Parts: sequence; C-alpha cells; structure tokens
Amino acid sequence: GAGVSQSPSNKVTEKGKDVELRCDPISGHTALYWYRQSLGQGLEFLIYFQGNSAPDKSGLPSDRFSAERTGGSVSTLTIQRTQQEDSAVYLCASSQGAGGAPKYFGPGTRLLVL
Amino acid sequence: QKEVEQNSGPLSVPEGAIASLNCTYSDRGSQSFFWYRQYSGKSPELIMFIYSNGDKEDGRFTAQLNKASQYVSLLIRDSQPSDSATYLCAVQQETSGSRLTFGEGTQLTVNP
Repeated sequence: GAGVSQSPSNKVTEKGKDVELRCDPISGHTALYWYRQSLGQGLEFLIYFQGNSAPDKSGLPSDRFSAERTGGSVSTLTIQRTQQEDSAVYLCASSQGAGGAPKYFGPGTRLLVL
Repeated sequence: QKEVEQNSGPLSVPEGAIASLNCTYSDRGSQSFFWYRQYSGKSPELIMFIYSNGDKEDGRFTAQLNKASQYVSLLIRDSQPSDSATYLCAVQQETSGSRLTFGEGTQLTVNP
C-alpha cells in the first residue's frame, strides 16, 4: 500500500511569506507526527496528533507555526511570516495506535526561506 | 548538556566487522529508546526499539540498554556496505508523552 506522502517536495519562499505543508498519512493510522530536521542535525519534534484527542503542540517553536488535522487523516502545517531560520526539512510520520514512536516517515518537504 | 548525545563520527568499519554505535541520555526517567537509520537524502526509518535493561536482538542488529549508566547502544554484526548511513538515537522521556528527543546521529561507513 501507499506510504506517507508529503507535498510539496520542495518549497522556496521569501522571508515574510506564509507557507503550507501537507501530509497524507498511511490509511488507518491514528497517530501523526511532524518533525523538522535542519542540516546535519537530529530531528526536532513539532506536533503530535492522536485520533480525536487534543494535539500535543509542545514542540512548536513559535506562534507563527500551527497545524491541523482534518477528519483524522490529512494534516497541514502552516508557517506564517517565514524566517530564514525556518529553513529545514519538514518530516511527517504516522503510526498505528497511541503512545509509540513515529514509525513511517514521509519523504519530507525541503523548505528554503530566502 | 544535550539531552541525547551521540558521537557524530564518521565511524568507519571494514565489511564483516561489528559496528558499535553509542548513545547517552540525560533524563533518568526516560523509558523507551529507539534507533533510526537514515540514508543520505532520505527519511529516517525505525530499525530497533528497546524498553528494558539488557540486550534485544533482531537479525544482525542488537540494541543494548543500561538505564543505570543512561546508555544505549546499537551493534551491527557482519556489517555490509549497505549499512552505511546515519544512525539516530531517540529517547522517549517519562513526561514527554509521544514526543521523542533525538540525538544528532552517528555517520557510519562500511568499507568493502
């Protein structure tokens, strides 16, 4: 079956613009995670959705970042007024069930803020 | 002190040797430990997890956990060139829910 998909694969934007990143998790997976990875760095947690529960937003770096998950499936990560330090690869992952680790990662969206 | 520390490497081993990848963590309440493999330009993939002290084996991979020493390692037996990748250690802390804290990774090269 299909894995986790993300779009766009690459995004170049100007500082101050808003961007939307999309994630389609594996069908039936209730857990969805957003992480980001800067060049040569480990992964940084952003947000976690589990079923209909309130999301864990504790990793969002500022109020410019927001995410939603509609119908327990597709998720959108929005970054408003982008800054150069937002440049990174944004990775989405999904898993079955709760309380575990992100198991299946998507290919990521490479964001470059000029 | 970083919450999860790994030697960045690069670690270079000959084909057929044992590769040993190490990770230390600072939160003594950490409960679950994960190893991810990330090929260059690709996304991470989960290869091992361990919750209890001791060893856990899966094929050529063995994860070792010592909570008293706050140390987790990954051994790769009979290393192959296809094992060349960056290995990320991730820790799930007691109070962090499903949030994982990742180390920066160790780059492994297996030479034919």
